[in-house]
Amino acid sequence: DVKVTQSSRYLVKRTGEKVFLECVQDMDHENMFWYRQDPGLGLRLIYFSYDVKMKEKGDIPEGYSVSREKKERFSLILESASTNQTSMYLCASSPLQGYNQPQHFGDGTRLSIL
Amino acid sequence: TQLLEQSPQFLSIQEGENLTVYCNSSSVFSSLQWYRQEPGEGPVLLVTVVTGGEVKKLKRLTFQFGDARKDSSLHITAAQPGDTGLYLCAGVWDTGNQFYFGTGTSLTVIP
Repeated sequence: DVKVTQSSRYLVKRTGEKVFLECVQDMDHENMFWYRQDPGLGLRLIYFSYDVKMKEKGDIPEGYSVSREKKERFSLILESASTNQTSMYLCASSPLQGYNQPQHFGDGTRLSIL
Repeated sequence: TQLLEQSPQFLSIQEGENLTVYCNSSSVFSSLQWYRQEPGEGPVLLVTVVTGGEVKKLKRLTFQFGDARKDSSLHITAAQPGDTGLYLCAGVWDTGNQFYFGTGTSLTVIP
C-alpha cells in the first residue's frame, strides 16, 4: 500500500512564525500535492510538484512556498503565518501525470495559528 | 470560483435507506473521481469514471458519469453506518491537467 506520511497531526503556531509542514511518500511517485481543506470549500490546491525541484502554483499559493529537494519529500512553508491560514492541510501523491491516476493522501495536519 | 458543486452539502439518514449525491459543473471533464474521507483521515479513492454515460458499481455504491461529462452521481443502496463520511468528487478539465475537488457531501448514517 502507498503510504503518505505527514510529520504532524496537530500543530499550533503564532502569528508571524515561519512554519514547515513535511510530507513523505514511499511509492516513488512523481507527483506531489499540497491542499488545504476548509468547511464548505472542499479541497483547494496550494502547490504541486511533478518532479524534484519542480513546482507549480495551484489555486491559492499566496502566503505559501514549497520545496522538493528529494523525490519522496514535499515541504510546505508558511513564510509568516497568519490567522487566516488556520486550516487542515493535506498532502497527496500520485504516479506520473495521467488524468486518471488516483491521488493518495496523508491523514492531514490540523494547523492553528494564534 | 467553485468549479464543482456537490449537493446536498449535508445528509443524515437512517440505516437501510437509499441516497444519491450529485456533482455538477458547467465544464467538461476528461475524467472524474469520487473519494470518501473519514474523520481524522485523508480522502481515499473510491472510483474513477472516464467515459460519458459510464456506470460503475462498487458493492452497494453506484457511480454514474453524465453523457456530456459535466456531472456525476453517487447512489448508495441500503446505507450502513460504515458509509458515514465526507464524499468528494474531483475532476480534471478537458483542457487542463489539474484536479479540482468539489465542496463535498457530509453523510451521516444513523443506526
